[in-house]
Amino acid sequence: DAKTTQPNSMESNEEEPVHLPCNHSTISGTDYIHWYRQLPSQGPEYVIHGLTSNVNNRMASLAIAEDRKSSTLILHRATLRDAAVYYCILRGSGAGSYQLTFGKGTKLSVIP
Amino acid sequence: NAGVMQNPRHLVRRRGQEARLRCSPMKGHSHVYWYRQLPEEGLKFMVYLQKENIIDESGMPKERFSAEFPKEGPSILRIQQVVRGDSAAYFCASSPQLAGGPNEQFFGPGTRLTVL
Repeated sequence: DAKTTQPNSMESNEEEPVHLPCNHSTISGTDYIHWYRQLPSQGPEYVIHGLTSNVNNRMASLAIAEDRKSSTLILHRATLRDAAVYYCILRGSGAGSYQLTFGKGTKLSVIP
Repeated sequence: NAGVMQNPRHLVRRRGQEARLRCSPMKGHSHVYWYRQLPEEGLKFMVYLQKENIIDESGMPKERFSAEFPKEGPSILRIQQVVRGDSAAYFCASSPQLAGGPNEQFFGPGTRLTVL
């Protein structure tokens, strides 16, 4: 899987929107962009994924750049429960793509 | 629908003992994946299993580690003769079909192994 780059940490005030960036300049045409998050002392949790178009679900939105070399996870109103490490992961569709390759992620702190 | 279950949640072993970690996938999921998270690091893939078959164990240490997913019962990750470097959080994930491309994996809460 291609490499992703994320800031080590970010802070947000409670109830404000949060934009978590991810750079993936070596993404291939068939790579999906996945986001997972890991709350303290818990297993990772799927957040959202996309291929080319922006995506929305009940948890978040995913904005994908037109050239697909970067993406942004958007939490519309951060709550204290959103404090977690957020991982941006590229997934191919070929053999071995079932492996999730976790980097260091972005540690999001939410300030009450 | 119960999620992925792992037990025990915490396991303490002395050097040289065996550790057995169990994972029950979500109902209807026949694909199981194990990951290890060392302190202050990201999760690393260890092994992918389907019922009664090991599909990919490329991330497993060559010695002391083994995994199985029998026809009946949970998947087991077994670590023989544990050493302090085995102390980590071990996560199991499952999926209803081969996870790749758009398909997500569902993770359990993990087993935190401490080797004294």
